[in-house]
Amino acid sequence: DVQMTQSPYNLAASPGESVSINCKASKSISKYLAWYQQKPGKPNKLLIYDGSTLQSGIPSRFSGSRSGTDFTLTIRSLEPEDFGLYYCQQHNEYPFTFGAGTKLELK
Amino acid sequence: EVQLVETGGGLAQPGRSLKLSCVGSGFTFNNYWMSWTRQAPGKGLEWVASISDSGDDTYYPDSVKGRFTISRDHAQNTLYLQMSSLRSEDTATYYCSRVAVYYGSLLRGVFDYWGQGVMVTVSS
Repeated sequence: DVQMTQSPYNLAASPGESVSINCKASKSISKYLAWYQQKPGKPNKLLIYDGSTLQSGIPSRFSGSRSGTDFTLTIRSLEPEDFGLYYCQQHNEYPFTFGAGTKLELK
Repeated sequence: EVQLVETGGGLAQPGRSLKLSCVGSGFTFNNYWMSWTRQAPGKGLEWVASISDSGDDTYYPDSVKGRFTISRDHAQNTLYLQMSSLRSEDTATYYCSRVAVYYGSLLRGVFDYWGQGVMVTVSS
C-alpha cells in the first residue's frame, strides 16, 4: 500500500497569512493526489485533485503543487472559514490511502 | 443540490453484523461510482469500499475484504455497506461518498461529495 506522510500535524496561523501543508507518497503516484477539508458538522469537501486541479467552486486562494512524490497544498490569504482539518489522499491505485491530517488552527 | 444521507449506524457486538444505507439525491445515482470511507474516533480517514456505476465491480482494502460487502439499488438510489464479523477496530464514523467524474472521465479515487456520516460502535 502507498503510505502518505503528511506534515505538519498542527499549524497555527492568522487570517490573511499564507500556509503550506505537505504530503509525501512512499512511492510514485504520478500526479494523482487529492486534498480534502474537514470541518465539524459539515460534509468533507474536495479541494484539489490530480495534484493541482482545483475542484469546481473552490476559491483560487487554494492551490496544489507537486515535485516528484512530494505534494503541497498552499492556502493564500487565509479566510476565517479555512480553519479546520486537511487531508491528502492518493488516488493513483487501490487501496486509496490518506495522510494523517493537518489541523489548521487560528493563532 | 447533491445530497448523501447515511443511516443504519449504532452499537453492535463483536462478531455480529450491521448494514449501512446511503440515499443519494440531486444527481443521477445510476451514473456514478460510489464509495464508503470511515474515520475512527480521533483518527484519520480510511477508504473502505468502492462500487462501479453498474454494481458489477467492487473494491476493498485488505482490512475489510471478505467481511464487508458494498452494493447498490438503483431503483431506490441507495448505496449499502453490509458489515459482518465486526471487530472493535471497525468502530468509526462511516461516510458515503460519490466518485467524481470530469467531462465523462471517471476519477476513480476522487470523492467529490460526502455525506455527514453515521457512527458505528463495536463493543460488547
